[in-house]
Amino acid sequence: AQSVTQLDSQVPVFEEAPVELRCNYSSSVSVYLFWYVQYPNQGLQLLLKYLSGSTLVESINGFEAEFNKSQTSFHLRKPSVHISDTAEYFCAVSDQGTGFQKLVFGTGTRLLVSP
Amino acid sequence: DAGVIQSPRHEVTEMGQEVTLRCKPISGHNSLFWYRQTMMRGLELLIYFNNNVPIDDSGMPEDRFSAKMPNASFSTLKIQPSEPRDSAVYFCASSLTGQTDQPQHFGDGTRLSIL
Repeated sequence: AQSVTQLDSQVPVFEEAPVELRCNYSSSVSVYLFWYVQYPNQGLQLLLKYLSGSTLVESINGFEAEFNKSQTSFHLRKPSVHISDTAEYFCAVSDQGTGFQKLVFGTGTRLLVSP
Repeated sequence: DAGVIQSPRHEVTEMGQEVTLRCKPISGHNSLFWYRQTMMRGLELLIYFNNNVPIDDSGMPEDRFSAKMPNASFSTLKIQPSEPRDSAVYFCASSLTGQTDQPQHFGDGTRLSIL
């Protein structure tokens, strides 16, 4: 069975500082990896995904994540955060062979950006 | 374009009552997912439909929970009888094909409180 570990439940940072949100997964098969963001009182929105190819993937709002197969990690980073990045971030994994996207989510990391 | 629409946004009811949550997926999407989000267990997949047919309901907690998708534009999740431990935020998501490389689009959720 797959599992996703997000060790940090909350990460406080100051505006314009860099941030890294950690994600490790456990799976015996090949997987697809995702980061979703959830703003207060809203549903989850896809931030970025790794399917294949380059291990570094980027989002349109400056986030990036790198797939590291040997360390089974998919950490999310941003070089300079904004107040508007305050949200909860979920890492998720999907087995490539299940036939449909059966997402297994981590417990989430709350990013708190202060001025 | 309209996203995934869920109703009601909030529901407060007494233990033992029947609860019905509703979801309208994005037009043209043939896959629909129901999730439950709690502090204790995080985000869990309850059931997955493809072309209106339930494909995986292994996450449905017990017989008190049932889900239907009578047509491509409507799904319901019903709890009968409801219990306080069912209190959670319930999300509906849809995707174009349900395949593992397709993003899921989430609704804003229904916050359910069972007294």
